[in-house]
Amino acid sequence: AQKVTQAQTEISVVEKEDVTLDCVYETRDTTYYLFWYKQPPSGELVFLIRRNSFDEQNEISGRYSWNFQKSTSSFNFTITASQVVDSAVYFCALISTDSSYKLIFGSGTRLLVRP
Amino acid sequence: EAGVTQFPSHSVIEKGQTVTLRCDPISGHDNLYWYRRVMGKEIKFLLHFVKESKQDESGMPNNRFLAERTGGTYSTLKVQPAELEDSGVYFCASSPLAGVVGTGELFFGEGSRLTVL
Repeated sequence: AQKVTQAQTEISVVEKEDVTLDCVYETRDTTYYLFWYKQPPSGELVFLIRRNSFDEQNEISGRYSWNFQKSTSSFNFTITASQVVDSAVYFCALISTDSSYKLIFGSGTRLLVRP
Repeated sequence: EAGVTQFPSHSVIEKGQTVTLRCDPISGHDNLYWYRRVMGKEIKFLLHFVKESKQDESGMPNNRFLAERTGGTYSTLKVQPAELEDSGVYFCASSPLAGVVGTGELFFGEGSRLTVL
């Protein structure tokens, strides 16, 4: 069965702090894709990144970085020098042939960045 | 280029009433999905259209939910009669024919919040 666990329900940090959002996934499939989405207060889901199961290279995009580790089935997301505009709910998601190519979402982590 | 648009943004109805949510995907996107987030839990798949055909409706909770996609363009999701547990945010998403795996993105709308009293 496929499952995505985001154990952190809510995180609160002060602006400029670094913060890591955890994501642990389960799948029997050897080919799968992992995603992160951001849901700002406006409500829409904004695509941040996709990684496939064959590419374990970490990725950095500005203040955002992602650490994919198959050995621990984790795909963690770090925001460096957080800003108030980073406040949102962040969802980790998984897709694979086991899931019939449906996105399986975690329950989300609400990040509050205080000024 | 317009993104995925959903209407209404918020609907408040009483138990037993009917509500119809509408989704306009990005023009040219053959894949259209409905997802739902209930009570702050995870976002769950409801169904998937490829053009006007239902590819997968395994996530539809029960027969009170009816989805259609006229002519392979916009889609509607009707809840009749609505129950309290139907409250949540309903998201629509679209992607090109190559799909999420092929293109890497699934474009989501802003969601329709449904409150059933």
